[in-house]
Amino acid sequence: AQSVTQLGSHVSVSEGALVLLRCNYSSSVPPYLFWYVQYPNQGLQLLLKYTSAATLVKGINGFEAEFKKSETSFHLTKPSAHMSDAAEYFCATADNFNKFYFGSGTKLNVKP
Amino acid sequence: NAGVTQTPKFRVLKTGQSMTLLCAQDMNHEYMYWYRQDPGMGLRLIHYSVGEGTTAKGEVPDGYNVSRLKKQNFLLGLESAAPSQTSVYFCASSRRRRTGTSVSTDTQYFGPGTRLTVL
Repeated sequence: AQSVTQLGSHVSVSEGALVLLRCNYSSSVPPYLFWYVQYPNQGLQLLLKYTSAATLVKGINGFEAEFKKSETSFHLTKPSAHMSDAAEYFCATADNFNKFYFGSGTKLNVKP
Repeated sequence: NAGVTQTPKFRVLKTGQSMTLLCAQDMNHEYMYWYRQDPGMGLRLIHYSVGEGTTAKGEVPDGYNVSRLKKQNFLLGLESAAPSQTSVYFCASSRRRRTGTSVSTDTQYFGPGTRLTVL
């Protein structure tokens, strides 16, 4: 069965510092991988997705993620954190029938 | 273009009461989904539909029923609410994308959520 694991339920960074949110996937076939962001009291918004076209995927708001098959990872990064990045981030994988499997989420706190 | 909408936004029920949550999408998507979100557990799939008139069970279907009578609507029903069903419910939709002769996955678009409390 496909699944993703997010390491760290809470991550705290200072404004301007590097953001690194970790996600490892488990899949027996080349995966579809996604990062979603959820702001308080809102639904999920797509940040970026990997569909095997390129290993480095750029998303909205300056985020990017790199697919590393050897490490079964799809970590999300942003070079410089902004206060508006404070939110909960979800990694997800999907099968060919569009069933999604979400990680447990990582709450990002950005300190001034 | 409203995307995915959900009604109601908030609801409080007493144990044993019933209710229906409505999800509507105006993107002509084939697939629709209902999730529940609980602290520390991410999103868990309750039921989903791959087309009008079809539904299937997800990861946590017990205590819920669904119907997809129209392509744009997906209803989630609780026949006899229990406190364990206190949660935030999200609806999502996506299109069916074909790559050659096979079906492949595509982005899911989410509604704003319904916060349900069962006392």
